Amino acid sequence: EPEVTQTPSHQVTQMGQEVILRCVPISNHLYFYWYRQILGQKVEFLVSFYNNEISEKSEIFDDQFSVERPDGSNFTLKIRSTKLEDSAMYFCASTLRGLREQFFGPGTRLTVL
Amino acid sequence: AQKITQTQPGMFVQEKEAVTLDCTYDTSDQSYGLFWYKQPSSGEMIFLIYQGSYDEQNATEGRYSLNFQKARKSANLVISASQLGDSAMYFCAMREGGANSKLTFGKGITLSVRP
Repeated sequence: EPEVTQTPSHQVTQMGQEVILRCVPISNHLYFYWYRQILGQKVEFLVSFYNNEISEKSEIFDDQFSVERPDGSNFTLKIRSTKLEDSAMYFCASTLRGLREQFFGPGTRLTVL
Repeated sequence: AQKITQTQPGMFVQEKEAVTLDCTYDTSDQSYGLFWYKQPSSGEMIFLIYQGSYDEQNATEGRYSLNFQKARKSANLVISASQLGDSAMYFCAMREGGANSKLTFGKGITLSVRP
């Protein structure tokens, strides 16, 4: 069964460093999302992406964040200068037009020291 | 106002019994979807069940059913015949607007199944 994959599973970085979180959505999906979950809290929407552009973004998704689909398979989230409060689990999700559910990847746990 | 409210702090259920996890929502949209996801301790998000706002029947998926009361804006998850593997965090979520819009999650409920 096809699934969303994410790498790395865990990333540790120093405050102020840039990180890139990678996702490979399900191959025929066209809509892509990033969510984050700070430890013990609810899952929060960051950004959605369709047709090579951002469809919607939350207020969390400020100028420090960017997304890209550099090729036909990867979908990346870049944080330019990480802050302590960026420590969270980051989930990528994908879906097809009209499909009811979003398929989530296993997440990348980001720890900023 | 919160879009999705899950107020139960933590739930305990005896193995093989049924349990209801509460969710209320707030939207002015006529078309929306309601979801339940399970998050075990390993961290992944597992889709359980979906209810569309226009669906007349309550959704069911195996041991999971959704008690959808549109007038009360509630979408409670019922797990029948609980199993030890059901111990996890459960999130209610809503999609408003278009079919591929973002999901808005509640803060979740921890369910512990006792042997």
